[in-house]
Amino acid sequence: ETGVTQSPTHLIKTRGQQVTLRCSSQSGHNTVSWYQQALGQGPQFIFQYYREEENGRGNFPPRFSGLQFPNYSSELNVNALELDDSALYLCASSFGRSSYNEQFFGPGTRLTVL
Amino acid sequence: DAKTTQPNSMESNEEEPVHLPCNHSTISGTDYIHWYRQLPSQGPEYVIHGLTSNVNNRMASLAIAEDRKSSTLILHRATLRDAAVYYCILKEKSGGSNYKLTFGKGTLLTVNP
Repeated sequence: ETGVTQSPTHLIKTRGQQVTLRCSSQSGHNTVSWYQQALGQGPQFIFQYYREEENGRGNFPPRFSGLQFPNYSSELNVNALELDDSALYLCASSFGRSSYNEQFFGPGTRLTVL
Repeated sequence: DAKTTQPNSMESNEEEPVHLPCNHSTISGTDYIHWYRQLPSQGPEYVIHGLTSNVNNRMASLAIAEDRKSSTLILHRATLRDAAVYYCILKEKSGGSNYKLTFGKGTLLTVNP
């Protein structure tokens, strides 16, 4: 059983560009959540997908968007990058919608915006 | 968002027990208490969760106060590999029927050899 994987590991972009980050869920998991973690802070919830539909969103602008595919892998897209978007982006997969389900996190993608 | 309060940092010696406190005075009756930890340069890792009763697993124990307004994560014998940021989280609805984790800043645990 493979864990959650993310690609790329690191990425450098310039302000105004667009970026796509990818996440492969743990086998059998149908829910993916994305988080942004600034340096020295805890992860902040961006949004969650369940069976290919967005099912909950945090306090992030519409230029943060996502997709979940039939195999439950997922993408996070960020348009019009700003300097403050520099952060570690984490995805987490889980099975089902229960409040007690454990989330399994990937290692993250480190995005630097210059 | 439901709030938790944790000390910014704690220090322990190797092979000694560690008690990591968390206050969550605004917890609702259906909120589960979750603990995750984040080792350096890694994503968060699930540690344990509970609702009302104390819980044990291979990693740790979770002691929940009778009024549920506080809890304590117990590492029975700290090792150097336990050095991490520990997050106490109340899992909340994110919309629909799904739930999100709302992280605070957590407690940075340092383990001395």
